[in-house]
Amino acid sequence: NAGVMQNPRHLVRRRGQEARLRCSPMKGHSHVYWYRQLPEEGLKFMVYLQKENIIDESGMPKERFSAEFPKEGPSILRIQQVVRGDSAAYFCASSLDGGWGYTFGSGTRLTVV
Amino acid sequence: TQLLEQSPQFLSIQEGENLTVYCNSSSVFSSLQWYRQEPGEGPVLLVTVVTGGEVKKLKRLTFQFGDARKDSSLHITAAQPGDTGLYLCAGADNNNDMRFGAGTRLTVKP
Repeated sequence: NAGVMQNPRHLVRRRGQEARLRCSPMKGHSHVYWYRQLPEEGLKFMVYLQKENIIDESGMPKERFSAEFPKEGPSILRIQQVVRGDSAAYFCASSLDGGWGYTFGSGTRLTVV
Repeated sequence: TQLLEQSPQFLSIQEGENLTVYCNSSSVFSSLQWYRQEPGEGPVLLVTVVTGGEVKKLKRLTFQFGDARKDSSLHITAAQPGDTGLYLCAGADNNNDMRFGAGTRLTVKP
């Protein structure tokens, strides 16, 4: 595992469908963070997870969005009933111990048509 | 939630010029990171600063953390087209919650 792996790189969904974004952290990293980035803007924090636990979801919309980081497998960011405003790049980052620099994936670019 | 303000928002310069970009907040950070992001890719960590007044150098890049650990600057000497990108600062509070600024978009023209 050379780095943080996100898939798919590009995802197109019709309004009302579900989007599932996957993130495999760097080997040995147990802290995972999801961020959203709109064109020409910075990164907006969404959620911070450690294995099987949501630590901070203060940046995540209360409806339609959920995240998990199971004991086995990648972290999943799930967006139900997508709307055009959900179109953005979604980045996942992982860290060994939090707060000392993150390693980012290449992102998933979600387009809602 | 602390707010990180980066300035300038956009900066376009000629190759060989020097530049400084800033990251300011009213909050104190336990650590602060600078990242560079290229189009279509995720941010890449450049440096982490921890101690107030700390200065770190990375080739032509010089990073400084303010004495009060509320602000930081990034100075680039003799900029090159390869320096083009979005420069993001991010601060961690005592709970290690990390928040990002909106970034400075740097364009270095050949």
